[in-house]
Amino acid sequence: NAGVTQTPKFQVLKTGQSMTLQCAQDMNHEYMSWYRQDPGMGLRLIHYSVGAGITDQGEVPNGYNVSRSTTEDFPLRLLSAAPSQTSVYFCASSTTFRDRGHEQYFGPGTRLTVT
Amino acid sequence: GNSVTQMEGPVTLSEEAFLTINCTYTATGYPSLFWYVQYPGEGLQLLLKATKADDKGSNKGFEATYRKETTSFHLEKGSVQVSDSAVYFCALKPGRRALTFGSGTRLQVQP
Repeated sequence: NAGVTQTPKFQVLKTGQSMTLQCAQDMNHEYMSWYRQDPGMGLRLIHYSVGAGITDQGEVPNGYNVSRSTTEDFPLRLLSAAPSQTSVYFCASSTTFRDRGHEQYFGPGTRLTVT
Repeated sequence: GNSVTQMEGPVTLSEEAFLTINCTYTATGYPSLFWYVQYPGEGLQLLLKATKADDKGSNKGFEATYRKETTSFHLEKGSVQVSDSAVYFCALKPGRRALTFGSGTRLQVQP
């Protein structure tokens, strides 16, 4: 299993540009989520999905869109990049069942800089 | 709402010292509790977990016990190594909802 994969690893955008961060998992997990990590602030949830066709907002959703057309893929779209979106972005997946452990598996991250 | 509070770092220890990183939480219901570790330049890896009260999670010499009465999940290790230097995150997961993370504690182990 490849686990959770993310592309690209690094990206530099200019203010106002749009882009999509890709995330895929091959563990047949129902639950997928996106976090951003900023210095001294831990990880904050952007959006999450409990299954194909179902998405919901997390703590910091503004400026981001998601969709979940398949179980495997959960792309994050930045609509109009702003310097405040400079961060490291992590995708994660898990089962939704406590008796299977439901710990989240994280991708390696995408480091985004917006100038 | 749900929240996790961790002791602030950095925590600096000498090799073979005893480690405790405090974690307390606020949650409704009975969340599962986790410790994740992040090595420099990498993503988060699950270190250990506990899914119900009085459970003890353990891995790689680290331990944490789910204490419902004190709403705590403190991370301990009897003898740290330089290779344990990393950032440690405590987190909770209430059922199907998302993980809530603490702000992280940086551990630096000196030879």
